[in-house]
Amino acid sequence: AQSVTQLGSHVSVSEGALVLLRCNYSSSVPPYLFWYVQYPNQGLQLLLKYTTGATLVKGINGFEAEFKKSETSFHLTKPSAHMSDAAEYFCAVSDRNAGNMLTFGGGTRLMVKP
Amino acid sequence: EPEVTQTPSHQVTQMGQEVILRCVPISNHLYFYWYRQILGQKVEFLVSFYNNEISEKSEIFDDQFSVERPDGSNFTLKIRSTKLEDSAMYFCASTEGQFLAPQHFGDGTRLSIL
Repeated sequence: AQSVTQLGSHVSVSEGALVLLRCNYSSSVPPYLFWYVQYPNQGLQLLLKYTTGATLVKGINGFEAEFKKSETSFHLTKPSAHMSDAAEYFCAVSDRNAGNMLTFGGGTRLMVKP
Repeated sequence: EPEVTQTPSHQVTQMGQEVILRCVPISNHLYFYWYRQILGQKVEFLVSFYNNEISEKSEIFDDQFSVERPDGSNFTLKIRSTKLEDSAMYFCASTEGQFLAPQHFGDGTRLSIL
């Protein structure tokens, strides 16, 4: 069975500061990993994904994440936070042995202070 | 950019009543999914659907739930006899491929059971 843990249900940063959202996963097979963002009253929008190849992946809105197998981590970062980044962020792992179902972490609500 | 659309955005239903949630996946996508998110909890997988049959389903997806693709565009989730604990946000997702292609999510239907 796969699982995802996101450390910190709420993260608050100042505008212009580094954003770091943590994600650790457990998977019995090489994982496919995803970060999704959810703005209020909207669905889940894909930020970035890791499947194979380069371990540092870049996504939309200046976000990137690094897959570290030894640490079973896939942390999301952005060098400089913007007010529009305030949202809920979900890390997910895909189970290729079960129809590609996504297992999500509990989510991290990012707040950006002016 | 094509998107997954879900209707209605909010559904209020009396306990014990049947409810049908509707989704129009992206037109060239072949794999379809339902997830739910109870307020304050994780996004949870319900069911995946491919080639007009269920590929995988979770423990949540019991006999009260069913899915159908009644025509070439719609994908529906039916709950036969709703319970209070069915109150949640329900998300539909679709993908063109099973593994490497990311899932695209709709904005969700908020289901409130009274």
